[in-house]
Amino acid sequence: EAGVAQSPRYKIIEKRQSVAFWCNPISGHATLYWYQQILGQGPKLLIQFQNNGVVDDSQLPKDRFSAERLKGVDSTLKIQPAKLEDSAVYLCASSLAGAEGETQYFGPGTRLLVL
Amino acid sequence: AQKVTQAQTEISVVEKEDVTLDCVYETRDTTYYLFWYKQPPSGELVFLIRRNSFDEQNEISGRYSWNFQKSTSSFNFTITASQVVDSAVYFCALSEFYNQGGKLIFGQGTELSVKP
Repeated sequence: EAGVAQSPRYKIIEKRQSVAFWCNPISGHATLYWYQQILGQGPKLLIQFQNNGVVDDSQLPKDRFSAERLKGVDSTLKIQPAKLEDSAVYLCASSLAGAEGETQYFGPGTRLLVL
Repeated sequence: AQKVTQAQTEISVVEKEDVTLDCVYETRDTTYYLFWYKQPPSGELVFLIRRNSFDEQNEISGRYSWNFQKSTSSFNFTITASQVVDSAVYFCALSEFYNQGGKLIFGQGTELSVKP
């Protein structure tokens, strides 16, 4: 079974530029999560989708970050404009139904460096 | 408030030594779930184990074992006879029942280095 796919794996941009990340979850998984992992820290949830609806985006900096999952399958996370503090690994995860305590499976992440 | 603490930032051992990674959690919920993930240098978080708050049985899987103690709010992870391939960052995470959607709250991680 294919795992969670993410692209690109690495991205270097200048501050104030925009960037987009793509995620394709495990087939059949209704729930998709985007996490931000700053160097030396644990991942922090940015946004959670259940099919194509948002369940939790309370920690998403909405003035610069946006995400969508239009057809309930793959998802795109965008940053515009990027700041230096956005340098991090962006991890996508999926789970079968998003139930409490359900195991989440992670992709390889996108490493973003903002100069 | 919910919180996961991994007090050990870095641990270095020599191959074949046993090593224990500590995890202490805080939650107001009576139903919750605890996880361990491994993050090798490639960056992907690899799922290791999931426990719910009603199952305090210790678990062993090969060289890995987990000790869950509700009385001390701890969920520690032991690697027996460590190997170089065990070198990675290990994360403990908490998912609370009342926090709908299964959001994971991670600790800071413990970087394990196993030297030959």
